[in-house]
Amino acid sequence: EAGVAQSPRYKIIEKRQSVAFWCNPISGHATLYWYQQILGQGPKLLIQFQNNGVVDDSQLPKDRFSAERLKGVDSTLKIQPAKLEDSAVYLCASSLIREASGYTFGSGTRLTVV
Amino acid sequence: AQSVSQHNHHVILSEAASLELGCNYSYGGTVNLFWYVQYPGQHLQLLLKYFSGDPLVKGIKGFEAEFIKSKFSFNLRKPSVQWSDTAEYFCAVRSGGYNKLIFGAGTRLAVHP
Repeated sequence: EAGVAQSPRYKIIEKRQSVAFWCNPISGHATLYWYQQILGQGPKLLIQFQNNGVVDDSQLPKDRFSAERLKGVDSTLKIQPAKLEDSAVYLCASSLIREASGYTFGSGTRLTVV
Repeated sequence: AQSVSQHNHHVILSEAASLELGCNYSYGGTVNLFWYVQYPGQHLQLLLKYFSGDPLVKGIKGFEAEFIKSKFSFNLRKPSVQWSDTAEYFCAVRSGGYNKLIFGAGTRLAVHP
């Protein structure tokens, strides 16, 4: 089974620039998650989609972050404009709707804002 | 609000030593509990999970964890660690209806040969 695909693997941008990350979940997984993992901390949920609808975006800084999941498959996460504190690894994960075995994570995108 | 606490941020052991990593959560309802591992340069992988039944659960690579409901704890153990266990370990809790995982801050384990 193919895993969760994310791109790019690494990105370095200057503050105030914009950036976008892409995620392709496991085929058939209805639920998709974006997590932010700051160095030294555990992953924090930013947004959760079920099919192409948002079920939880309570931790998403909506003034600068946006995400979409068109057609209930691929998803993009955008930051505009980026701040220094956005430097982190952005993880995408997917699962079946009521997954008994946890999520499957992608390898993440490491963002450095300078 | 739900939270997960991992007591040790960094642990250093010699090979063959025993390991116990602490995890406590705050949530009064029904929870599912997970331990994930992240090897250097790799993605998060599921080590083991607890949903119900026997509170002592066994996972991959010789790891096990014990759910103690009265202590809100789910500690990870391994009787004899190997150098290849060097990684970061995350405890996570799921509750509610939307399959949302709350992670602890992680414990970085270094095993010396």
